[in-house]
Amino acid sequence: IAGITQAPTSQILAAGRRMTLRCTQDMRHNAMYWYRQDLGLGLRLIHYSNTAGTTGKGEVPDGYSVSRANTDDFPLTLASAVPSQTSVYFCASSVIPNTGELFFGEGSRLTVL
Amino acid sequence: DAKTTQPTSMDCAEGRAANLPCNHSTISGNEYVYWYRQIHSQGPQYIIHGLKNNETNEMASLIITEDRKSSTLILPHATLRDTAVYYCIVSDYSGGYQKVTFGTGTKLQVIP
Repeated sequence: IAGITQAPTSQILAAGRRMTLRCTQDMRHNAMYWYRQDLGLGLRLIHYSNTAGTTGKGEVPDGYSVSRANTDDFPLTLASAVPSQTSVYFCASSVIPNTGELFFGEGSRLTVL
Repeated sequence: DAKTTQPTSMDCAEGRAANLPCNHSTISGNEYVYWYRQIHSQGPQYIIHGLKNNETNEMASLIITEDRKSSTLILPHATLRDTAVYYCIVSDYSGGYQKVTFGTGTKLQVIP
C-alpha cells in the first residue's frame, strides 16, 4: 500500500454512538490532518498533528478527538456522534508541517442518524 | 475569513486551455499559493504551488501576478478527465500548525 488508507469507506451510525475513523500512511510523513467536507463549506480542518506524540486543534475540533501514538496512524474519534457530524472525512499528510503540499486519502463517508 | 476567492463554476471546451483565476488580495509575504483539484468524490489531489514566480509542471502552469494578489491556473489542453473542482489556497504556517484552508473552489466542466 502506498499513500494514505482510510477506513471505513462509509458508515451509518446511530446518534450517541462512539466511532473511530482510521487513517494510516506509509510515506513516513511527519504531519497528518483530519478534514471534513460539507456541501457549500469546502474542506475544514478538524485536528492536526505536526509529529508523532503531538496534536492540535483546527477550525472545527468540537466533538472530535485524535491521537498520534506513532508516525503512521492518526485515528479520529467521535465520542458521542450527533447528526451534524454527518459528513465526508478526509485524512491527509505532509512531509513536514510547514508545507501546503498535502496527500489525501479517499475519504470516509459518515452518516449519523 | 476567506483567504481566496474563486468563481463558482467554469466551462471549457475539450482540447482548449482552461484558465482558472483566483484572488488572494490579503496574501502575506511568506504565504505560498497552492492548487488542488478534487475529482468527483475522491480525495483532493495536489497540482502545483508557487510563491512569486510562475511555475510549470506536467499537469499545469501557475501564473502569479507581480503583486501576488491573484493567480491563474492553466491547464493547457483540457480533457474530459480534467472535470473537477479546483481549489486555490494560500498556505500559512502559524500558531504551530499549517493553516491550509480550503474554500469552495471552482467547478470546472470540460465539454466535448
